[in-house]
Amino acid sequence: DAGVIQSPRHEVTEMGQEVTLRCKPISGHNSLFWYRQTMMRGLELLIYFNNNVPIDDSGMPEDRFSAKMPNASFSTLKIQPSEPRDSAVYFCASNDLGSSYNEQFFGPGTRLTVL
Amino acid sequence: AQKVTQAQTEISVVEKEDVTLDCVYETRDTTYYLFWYKQPPSGELVFLIRRNSFDEQNEISGRYSWNFQKSTSSFNFTITASQVVDSAVYFCALSDFNAGNMLTFGGGTRLMVKP
Repeated sequence: DAGVIQSPRHEVTEMGQEVTLRCKPISGHNSLFWYRQTMMRGLELLIYFNNNVPIDDSGMPEDRFSAKMPNASFSTLKIQPSEPRDSAVYFCASNDLGSSYNEQFFGPGTRLTVL
Repeated sequence: AQKVTQAQTEISVVEKEDVTLDCVYETRDTTYYLFWYKQPPSGELVFLIRRNSFDEQNEISGRYSWNFQKSTSSFNFTITASQVVDSAVYFCALSDFNAGNMLTFGGGTRLMVKP
């Protein structure tokens, strides 16, 4: 299995631009999570989906952030408009809700820099 | 609300020393899972171990061992005979069974193993 796939791996953009981060979970997994890692706040959950349905988006910082999961194999996290304080590493993770092991498998992350 | 505290932000040891990383957690639930993840300099998050709240058996895997004590809400991680390759940031995390397996991370402990 290829594991969780994220793209792009690095993104540099200017303030005000729209940014879209992409994630492909592990095939067969039915839960998907978006995390953000910063020096100041550490690793924090932004949103998660079960069976493509958003369950908890209380971690999404503000309305500029939105996430979708149109099908079981794809999710996007969009920031519009982006701001310098959005600079962080964004991780996507997936797991199988039905498994007795609820370990989350993480993608390699997308390092976002907003100038 | 869940909370994970890793009081040691940074630890420096010399190769071959033993080192223990502390983790203290808070949760109101009786069913939960505890995890340790490793984040090497390359940035990915690597799963190390999962423990459920009903299993207080300590575990050993090679040079790694984990001590889970419900009475003190702690889940400490010991590396025996540390090696330079163990240098990384280590995260302890908590997953509440009723919260859809979302992870709450501690702030991480940066371990530096010097030759």
